[in-house]
Amino acid sequence: AQKVTQAQTEISVVEKEDVTLDCVYETRDTTYYLFWYKQPPSGELVFLIRRNSFDEQNEISGRYSWNFQKSTSSFNFTITASQVVDSAVYFCALKRSQGNLIFGKGTKLSVKP
Amino acid sequence: SAVISQKPSRDICQRGTSLTIQCQVDSQVTMMFWYRQQPGQSLTLIATANQGSEATYESGFVIDKFPISRPNLTFSTLTVSNMSPEDSSIYLCSVDRERTEAFFGQGTRLTVV
Repeated sequence: AQKVTQAQTEISVVEKEDVTLDCVYETRDTTYYLFWYKQPPSGELVFLIRRNSFDEQNEISGRYSWNFQKSTSSFNFTITASQVVDSAVYFCALKRSQGNLIFGKGTKLSVKP
Repeated sequence: SAVISQKPSRDICQRGTSLTIQCQVDSQVTMMFWYRQQPGQSLTLIATANQGSEATYESGFVIDKFPISRPNLTFSTLTVSNMSPEDSSIYLCSVDRERTEAFFGQGTRLTVV
């Protein structure tokens, strides 16, 4: 079975703190893709990153960084020096061979000034 | 990237009526997906729509309630039929152009009263 687990339901931090959102996945596929999306209150899904199973290099994009570890089936997302605008629900997702995504339950991040 | 135009962006509907949501893509795609996101929940796949064939529905979703059309490679519609307040959700279409990506429309926020 394929599954994505985001154990953190809600996280609250103060602006400028670093925060890590956890994502653990299950799949038997040898080739797979993992995604992170941001969903602000307006409801649209904002694409953040896609990672394929053959690329275990960590990635950094500005204040965002991602740590992909196949050994622990984890794909964690860190925001450095968080800002109020980072407040949103963040979803981790796994792409099935059929093409659709399986989403985790999401982590609601609140960044307070 | 693929540009997806989804409309309406939001609607308030009376129970017992039906709403058709449209999804237009700026390029030809083989597979289109429809998701539902109930309030405070994650995204759940409703069905996969391939051009020229019947849509494939996930467990818990039926064609009579969520009929889907896919007349060509750039367009699809999802109808929410005989609506009840439990159908109040965000509905999103998604495309998979190269089987490694996942692009989403802006979403349709439906409220049934």
